[in-house]
Amino acid sequence: QVQLQQSGTELVKPASSVKISCTVSGYTFSSNYMHWIRQQPGNGLEWIGWIYPGNGNTKYNQKFDGKATLTADQSSSTAYMQLNSLTSEDSAVYFCAREAFAYWGQGTLVTVSS
Amino acid sequence: DIQMTQSPSSLPASLGDRVTITCRASQDIGNYLRWFQQKPGKSPRLMIYGATNLAAGVPSRFSGSRSGSDYSLTISSLESEDMADYYCLQSKESPFTFGSGTKLEIK
Repeated sequence: QVQLQQSGTELVKPASSVKISCTVSGYTFSSNYMHWIRQQPGNGLEWIGWIYPGNGNTKYNQKFDGKATLTADQSSSTAYMQLNSLTSEDSAVYFCAREAFAYWGQGTLVTVSS
Repeated sequence: DIQMTQSPSSLPASLGDRVTITCRASQDIGNYLRWFQQKPGKSPRLMIYGATNLAAGVPSRFSGSRSGSDYSLTISSLESEDMADYYCLQSKESPFTFGSGTKLEIK
């Protein structure tokens, strides 16, 4: 069965970076787009962008240009999202979701605090 | 960017009620519209895709419809397990955009 397993909770300091992961199983990783979505506390959902693991092509929401960097490792069937220059505004739950949004990871909570 | 205007933001309803949530798209999105259900502390669950198609495993009391640029999610007879937040998503054009959400709660 299709599974997307995300890395655990992160507590990080302002101005630092964090890299969260999404490891998949049950399907061909390289053949499906992977989306990343943000949900700030008590707020709605925002689409960050997608990556196509087969060739590394990416598409970003302009709002997250320079903030998020999406990469993928086919050998480990893992998608990554690095978030840079973190501020309190980046505190949120981040989800990965497979191409058609039918399968989601469990979410990774990132808290930015000194 | 395509704006998805979702209403209402909050919907108090009773068990057994028929309820409808609506998203209006600021530009043509065809049928590139999905509906999600999200319960507290959980990941969103796909309910409807292609504006009108029921996702796998979703109860038949859920349905999706379209009238022009208005897209609706209807629950024909509300059950307690349906109390959750609901979001629409357009995937016609990047950036993909979500509606602001509807909190469905017991009256």
